[in-house]
Amino acid sequence: GQNIDQPTEMTATEGAIVQINCTYQTSGFNGLFWYQQHAGEAPTFLSYNVLDGLEEKGRFSSFLSRSKGYSYLLLKELQMKDSASYLCAVRAYNNAGNMLTFGGGTRLMVKP
Amino acid sequence: KAGVTQTPRYLIKTRGQQVTLSCSPISGHRSVSWYQQTPGQGLQFLFEYFSETQRNKGNFPGRFSGRQFSNSRSEMNVSTLELGDSALYLCASSLEGLAGDEQFFGPGTRLTVL
Repeated sequence: GQNIDQPTEMTATEGAIVQINCTYQTSGFNGLFWYQQHAGEAPTFLSYNVLDGLEEKGRFSSFLSRSKGYSYLLLKELQMKDSASYLCAVRAYNNAGNMLTFGGGTRLMVKP
Repeated sequence: KAGVTQTPRYLIKTRGQQVTLSCSPISGHRSVSWYQQTPGQGLQFLFEYFSETQRNKGNFPGRFSGRQFSNSRSEMNVSTLELGDSALYLCASSLEGLAGDEQFFGPGTRLTVL
């Protein structure tokens, strides 16, 4: 089975930097995704890591360490619209193919 | 390019009834996955369909079933509804469902079971 852990809630200030951590235990690891989900809306893709290291996309960066089963999502220059849930999802390969398993999500509140 | 569409957007049913939800993937996408999202359990994988075949299945009872048509559109069915089935049901499509494929989510169907 798979186990994915991320903090339930975080609070940060507008303009600041926040790091959302995700740890996972899985066999057949095949990539890690981060999604953003605003209340009442569908998740939208933010980033994908399959190799160790940092992937940067504008204000958002995601890091992966496969040996440690660890990833983080870094959000810089926080804006009020960044208040949302951030979902870490691990793709793993089993006999049937690839399966995506989501963590419980981290609800980020950005305050003025 | 049109996104993933799901119908209906909202549904109210009573215990014991059955329900069918529909998902139309992005044109050209052949993999469709279904998820159940609840406040307590988060996003949980139901099943994935590729080329009209169920390729992967999560840990849900047999009351939850699905199918995919030749045009890649997919339906999921829940029979003998229970109160605990109240949730947001999301469908996501990707090109092939392979390792690096990004999944695009539809807006979801919010099911309320009374």
